[in-house]
Amino acid sequence: GAGVSQTPSNKVTEKGKYVELRCDPISGHTALYWYRQSLGQGPEFLIYFQGTGAADDSGLPNDRFFAVRPEGSVSTLKIQRTERGDSAVYLCASSFLRGSPFQEQFFGPGTRLTVL
Amino acid sequence: GQNIDQPTEMTATEGAIVQINCTYQTSGFNGLFWYQQHAGEAPTFLSYNVLDGLEEKGRFSSFLSRSKGYSYLLLKELQMKDSASYLCAVRDGASGTYKYIFGTGTRLKVLA
Repeated sequence: GAGVSQTPSNKVTEKGKYVELRCDPISGHTALYWYRQSLGQGPEFLIYFQGTGAADDSGLPNDRFFAVRPEGSVSTLKIQRTERGDSAVYLCASSFLRGSPFQEQFFGPGTRLTVL
Repeated sequence: GQNIDQPTEMTATEGAIVQINCTYQTSGFNGLFWYQQHAGEAPTFLSYNVLDGLEEKGRFSSFLSRSKGYSYLLLKELQMKDSASYLCAVRDGASGTYKYIFGTGTRLKVLA
């Protein structure tokens, strides 16, 4: 009965490095979302998976950002050549059914990424 | 395009009632959600509206008018623990998927 988990909770890296952020959704949840949240702002949509495929990746800011969900469960957000502007809290959320009228998202605790 | 507006900050007194407004513009409206987010924590779900009218859940109520692109969250009998950010989010189904667009959040301070 665990909730959404994200690892690591904190990541400090240097400009130009590559990072991977992991999300473990609630078991059985088919939809998985990645968001980025800067201080004082609301979550900014990045990408949405329905099963294994990216249903909507229109929020990814540029080609340095990529996400996968190869088996329809765990997802990894990958950021290449990190920049200081990538510093933010990266939130993952999952939900059960795409077509149901009510689709509550359950959020993970987030990964705080700091790019020095 | 998509746009969500809500006040940046509000202050209220313990025991009082506060109304947080949200206006939105979206091409494929498919539901409006309110979330609570305490500092340093993840958002937690509060309420959901897809049809016009008022939804009540204990001390929290949420209202929706789709024709006006307007919603509000009503918090009654305010408690100190209600000090948090309140996020208005619209689910957009225009592209055939269901992505959520969040507002910047309203920081509510409850004073003793």
